[in-house]
Amino acid sequence: GEDVEQSLFLSVREGDSSVINCTYTDSSSTYLYWYKQEPGAGLQLLTYIFSNMDMKQDQRLTVLLNKKDKHLSLRIADTQTGDSAIYFCAEYTGGFKTIFGAGTRLFVKA
Amino acid sequence: DAGVIQSPRHEVTEMGQEVTLRCKPISGHDYLFWYRQTMMRGLELLIYFNNNVPIDDSGMPEDRFSAKMPNASFSTLKIQPSEPRDSAVYFCASSSALGSRGGGSYEQYFGPGTRLTVT
Repeated sequence: GEDVEQSLFLSVREGDSSVINCTYTDSSSTYLYWYKQEPGAGLQLLTYIFSNMDMKQDQRLTVLLNKKDKHLSLRIADTQTGDSAIYFCAEYTGGFKTIFGAGTRLFVKA
Repeated sequence: DAGVIQSPRHEVTEMGQEVTLRCKPISGHDYLFWYRQTMMRGLELLIYFNNNVPIDDSGMPEDRFSAKMPNASFSTLKIQPSEPRDSAVYFCASSSALGSRGGGSYEQYFGPGTRLTVT
């Protein structure tokens, strides 16, 4: 069945790069997303990548997609304390359903 | 646009009481989703609507849960009777086939959530 898996925690020092990884199972996924959830708030779309791309860069964010291995990653350059949040990987599988991972809690140490 | 609006933001109720959560989607969005988030189970899709019609309610936990969308700008999620295990944060999200960039990227826009505590 459809599933999205990601590690639960990541801790980095301020100024370092963060890399959050995700694997998904549905090879027919057309869009893959990264959402960010700050404390007490809803999920907010950070970025997305279409399945025919293998990389997308948006300021400090770099998304890499390996379709062969069904692996998606999010790299945050120069991580700041304000980047501390939960990051959700998600895939659009058609029929307007989006499957979300369990979320990776990013801790940024000053 | 004000984004997705949910009310109330916090609800504390006693077991057995009826709870109604409310959502106003982004104007022009034709899909509306209800999710539940807990530490144990993460983010779960409960039900979603397209053009006010329920499309998939397979995530609704049991008959105590019901959802309606009487018009394009309003939806409710009702729990009757409520139980302590229903304590969670409930999110409403909306989406459009065109996406914010008009390219059909299907991203969802989430409200701030309703934190429900059933004692």
